Amino acid sequence: NAGVMQNPRHLVRRRGQEARLRCSPMKGHSHVYWYRQLPEEGLKFMVYLQKENIIDESGMPKERFSAEFPKEGPSILRIQQVVRGDSAAYFCASSPGTGGLNEKLFFGSGTQLSVL
Amino acid sequence: AQRVTQPEKLLSVFKGAPVELKCNYSYSGSPELFWYVQYSRQRLQLLLRHISRESIKGFTADLNKGETSFHLKKPFAQEEDSAMYYCALRGTSGSARQLTFGSGTQLTVLP
Repeated sequence: NAGVMQNPRHLVRRRGQEARLRCSPMKGHSHVYWYRQLPEEGLKFMVYLQKENIIDESGMPKERFSAEFPKEGPSILRIQQVVRGDSAAYFCASSPGTGGLNEKLFFGSGTQLSVL
Repeated sequence: AQRVTQPEKLLSVFKGAPVELKCNYSYSGSPELFWYVQYSRQRLQLLLRHISRESIKGFTADLNKGETSFHLKKPFAQEEDSAMYYCALRGTSGSARQLTFGSGTQLTVLP
Protein backbone atom coordinates (compact mmCIF):
# COMPACT_ATOMS: atom_id res chain seq x y z
CA ASN A 1 0.00 0.00 0.00
CA ALA A 2 1.69 3.15 -1.21
CA GLY A 3 -0.13 5.39 1.21
CA VAL A 4 -1.84 8.65 0.37
CA MET A 5 -0.44 9.98 -2.88
CA GLN A 6 -0.51 13.63 -3.78
CA ASN A 7 0.65 15.18 -7.00
CA PRO A 8 2.28 17.28 -8.02
CA ARG A 9 4.69 17.82 -5.12
CA HIS A 10 5.37 21.34 -6.31
CA LEU A 11 3.14 23.49 -8.48
CA VAL A 12 3.99 26.93 -9.76
CA ARG A 13 1.28 29.14 -11.19
CA ARG A 14 1.01 32.76 -12.27
CA ARG A 15 -1.69 34.97 -10.88
CA GLY A 16 -5.01 34.30 -12.60
CA GLN A 17 -4.21 30.74 -13.64
CA GLU A 18 -5.92 27.64 -12.35
CA ALA A 19 -4.34 25.13 -9.96
CA ARG A 20 -5.41 21.48 -9.75
CA LEU A 21 -4.15 19.39 -6.88
CA ARG A 22 -4.69 15.63 -6.86
CA CYS A 23 -5.00 13.20 -4.02
CA SER A 24 -5.30 9.43 -4.24
CA PRO A 25 -6.33 8.00 -0.87
CA MET A 26 -4.98 4.84 0.61
CA LYS A 27 -6.45 1.66 -0.78
CA GLY A 28 -9.74 0.92 0.91
CA HIS A 29 -10.22 4.46 2.21
CA SER A 30 -13.40 6.24 1.17
CA HIS A 31 -12.95 9.50 3.10
CA VAL A 32 -10.69 12.34 2.06
CA TYR A 33 -9.78 15.54 3.87
CA TRP A 34 -7.96 18.59 2.53
CA TYR A 35 -5.92 20.89 4.74
CA ARG A 36 -3.99 24.06 3.95
CA GLN A 37 -0.86 25.21 5.71
CA LEU A 38 0.10 28.83 5.26
CA PRO A 39 3.65 29.88 6.15
CA GLU A 40 4.20 30.04 9.91
CA GLU A 41 0.76 28.59 10.61
CA GLY A 42 -0.78 25.23 11.47
CA LEU A 43 -2.82 23.08 9.19
CA LYS A 44 -6.29 24.46 8.58
CA PHE A 45 -9.17 22.19 7.65
CA MET A 46 -10.73 22.97 4.28
CA VAL A 47 -13.07 20.21 3.16
CA TYR A 48 -14.13 16.67 3.93
CA LEU A 49 -15.40 14.39 1.18
CA GLN A 50 -16.67 10.91 0.68
CA LYS A 51 -17.01 9.34 -2.72
CA GLU A 52 -19.20 11.64 -4.83
CA ASN A 53 -20.25 13.67 -1.77
CA ILE A 54 -19.01 16.78 -0.01
CA ILE A 55 -19.67 16.21 3.68
CA ASP A 56 -18.24 19.39 5.15
CA GLU A 57 -16.77 22.35 3.29
CA SER A 58 -16.89 24.78 6.18
CA GLY A 59 -13.18 25.56 5.87
CA MET A 60 -13.24 26.23 2.17
CA PRO A 61 -13.11 29.83 0.88
CA LYS A 62 -16.46 30.69 -0.69
CA GLU A 63 -15.03 31.73 -4.03
CA ARG A 64 -12.53 30.22 -6.46
CA PHE A 65 -12.06 26.99 -4.47
CA SER A 66 -13.81 23.72 -5.19
CA ALA A 67 -13.24 20.06 -4.41
CA GLU A 68 -14.51 16.78 -5.71
CA PHE A 69 -14.02 13.10 -5.05
CA PRO A 70 -15.51 11.19 -7.98
CA LYS A 71 -16.55 7.58 -7.97
CA GLU A 72 -13.44 6.74 -9.97
CA GLY A 73 -10.13 8.52 -9.74
CA PRO A 74 -8.46 10.84 -7.28
CA SER A 75 -9.88 13.68 -5.27
CA ILE A 76 -9.22 17.05 -6.88
CA LEU A 77 -8.81 20.39 -5.17
CA ARG A 78 -9.27 23.13 -7.73
CA ILE A 79 -8.31 26.75 -7.26
CA GLN A 80 -9.40 29.13 -9.99
CA GLN A 81 -7.76 32.48 -10.72
CA VAL A 82 -5.02 31.96 -8.15
CA VAL A 83 -3.66 34.88 -6.16
CA ARG A 84 -0.40 35.24 -4.24
CA GLY A 85 -2.23 34.53 -0.97
CA ASP A 86 -3.05 31.04 -2.20
CA SER A 87 0.63 30.10 -1.95
CA ALA A 88 0.71 27.38 0.69
CA ALA A 89 1.22 23.70 1.31
CA TYR A 90 -1.93 21.69 0.68
CA PHE A 91 -2.22 18.38 2.45
CA CYS A 92 -4.61 15.58 1.81
CA ALA A 93 -5.50 12.88 4.32
CA SER A 94 -7.63 9.80 4.04
CA SER A 95 -9.39 7.48 6.44
CA PRO A 96 -11.38 4.29 6.12
CA GLY A 97 -14.49 6.09 7.31
CA THR A 98 -15.48 3.68 10.03
CA GLY A 99 -16.10 6.64 12.32
CA GLY A 100 -15.00 4.85 15.45
CA LEU A 101 -12.68 6.15 18.14
CA ASN A 102 -9.80 4.32 16.49
CA GLU A 103 -10.27 6.08 13.17
CA LYS A 104 -6.94 7.42 12.01
CA LEU A 105 -6.03 9.89 9.35
CA PHE A 106 -3.17 9.12 7.01
CA PHE A 107 -1.53 12.11 5.39
CA GLY A 108 0.03 12.61 2.01
CA SER A 109 3.29 14.44 1.45
CA GLY A 110 1.52 17.58 0.39
CA THR A 111 1.58 19.86 -2.64
CA GLN A 112 3.48 23.10 -2.35
CA LEU A 113 1.69 25.72 -4.42
CA SER A 114 3.63 28.83 -5.35
CA VAL A 115 1.86 31.69 -7.07
CA LEU A 116 4.10 34.14 -8.88
CA ALA B 1 -15.36 27.31 18.27
CA GLN B 2 -12.56 24.87 18.84
CA ARG B 3 -9.00 26.08 19.03
CA VAL B 4 -5.57 24.60 19.70
CA THR B 5 -2.69 26.71 20.95
CA GLN B 6 0.96 25.73 20.91
CA PRO B 7 2.75 28.67 22.49
CA GLU B 8 6.28 27.67 21.48
CA LYS B 9 7.26 27.87 17.82
CA LEU B 10 10.78 26.67 18.50
CA LEU B 11 12.14 24.54 21.31
CA SER B 12 15.72 23.38 21.75
CA VAL B 13 16.97 20.93 24.36
CA PHE B 14 20.14 18.94 24.81
CA LYS B 15 20.24 15.19 24.29
CA GLY B 16 19.26 13.40 27.48
CA ALA B 17 17.36 16.36 28.89
CA PRO B 18 13.62 16.24 29.58
CA VAL B 19 11.35 17.87 27.04
CA GLU B 20 7.81 19.18 27.27
CA LEU B 21 5.87 20.55 24.31
CA LYS B 22 2.90 22.57 25.43
CA CYS B 23 -0.58 22.37 24.03
CA ASN B 24 -3.73 24.10 25.25
CA TYR B 25 -7.15 23.81 23.74
CA SER B 26 -10.59 25.30 23.89
CA TYR B 27 -13.68 23.24 23.17
CA SER B 28 -17.08 23.12 24.79
CA GLY B 29 -17.33 19.40 25.28
CA SER B 30 -15.11 16.35 25.53
CA PRO B 31 -12.69 16.41 22.62
CA GLU B 32 -10.27 13.86 21.32
CA LEU B 33 -6.68 15.07 21.49
CA PHE B 34 -3.78 13.95 19.34
CA TRP B 35 -0.13 14.64 18.76
CA TYR B 36 1.17 14.43 15.20
CA VAL B 37 4.83 14.53 14.20
CA GLN B 38 6.57 15.43 10.97
CA TYR B 39 10.19 14.40 10.66
CA SER B 40 12.37 16.13 8.11
CA ARG B 41 11.24 15.30 4.57
CA GLN B 42 8.60 12.86 5.79
CA ARG B 43 4.82 12.87 5.98
CA LEU B 44 2.81 14.04 8.91
CA GLN B 45 2.02 11.02 11.04
CA LEU B 46 0.12 10.27 14.19
CA LEU B 47 2.33 10.03 17.26
CA LEU B 48 -0.22 9.36 19.96
CA ARG B 49 -3.77 10.03 21.07
CA HIS B 50 -5.15 10.60 24.52
CA ILE B 51 -7.76 7.84 24.41
CA SER B 52 -5.06 5.21 23.98
CA ARG B 53 -3.08 6.34 27.02
CA GLU B 54 -0.02 4.97 25.28
CA SER B 55 3.66 5.79 25.26
CA ILE B 56 5.17 6.03 21.81
CA LYS B 57 8.92 6.43 21.34
CA GLY B 58 9.12 7.37 25.01
CA PHE B 59 6.60 10.20 24.63
CA THR B 60 3.50 10.51 26.79
CA ALA B 61 0.73 13.07 26.97
CA ASP B 62 -1.90 13.47 29.64
CA LEU B 63 -5.18 15.20 29.05
CA ASN B 64 -5.81 17.72 31.82
CA LYS B 65 -9.41 18.82 31.49
CA GLY B 66 -9.12 21.33 34.32
CA GLU B 67 -6.30 23.16 32.62
CA THR B 68 -7.50 22.24 29.10
CA SER B 69 -4.01 21.06 28.28
CA PHE B 70 -2.45 18.10 26.51
CA HIS B 71 1.28 18.61 26.91
CA LEU B 72 3.68 16.15 25.28
CA LYS B 73 6.53 14.93 27.46
CA LYS B 74 9.62 12.78 27.23
CA PRO B 75 12.03 12.32 30.11
CA PHE B 76 15.20 11.92 28.01
CA ALA B 77 15.25 13.54 24.59
CA GLN B 78 17.13 11.91 21.70
CA GLU B 79 18.55 13.55 18.60
CA GLU B 80 16.16 11.58 16.41
CA ASP B 81 13.25 13.30 18.19
CA SER B 82 14.06 16.48 16.31
CA ALA B 83 10.94 17.21 14.27
CA MET B 84 7.87 19.39 13.94
CA TYR B 85 5.17 18.47 16.44
CA TYR B 86 1.51 19.37 16.04
CA CYS B 87 -1.18 19.10 18.66
CA ALA B 88 -4.64 18.45 17.26
CA LEU B 89 -8.20 18.32 18.50
CA ARG B 90 -11.21 16.56 17.12
CA GLY B 91 -14.65 17.38 18.38
CA THR B 92 -17.26 14.76 18.87
CA SER B 93 -20.20 16.13 16.94
CA GLY B 94 -21.11 17.45 13.53
CA SER B 95 -18.45 19.31 11.59
CA ALA B 96 -16.27 19.31 14.66
CA ARG B 97 -15.29 15.83 13.59
CA GLN B 98 -12.51 17.32 11.58
CA LEU B 99 -9.12 17.88 13.16
CA THR B 100 -8.09 21.34 14.31
CA PHE B 101 -4.34 21.71 14.44
CA GLY B 102 -2.11 23.98 16.45
CA SER B 103 0.57 25.98 14.66
CA GLY B 104 3.24 23.48 15.59
CA THR B 105 6.46 23.41 17.62
CA GLN B 106 9.80 22.74 15.98
CA LEU B 107 11.81 20.62 18.41
CA THR B 108 15.57 20.50 18.03
CA VAL B 109 17.54 18.10 20.17
CA LEU B 110 21.17 19.18 20.37
CA PRO B 111 24.02 16.69 20.75
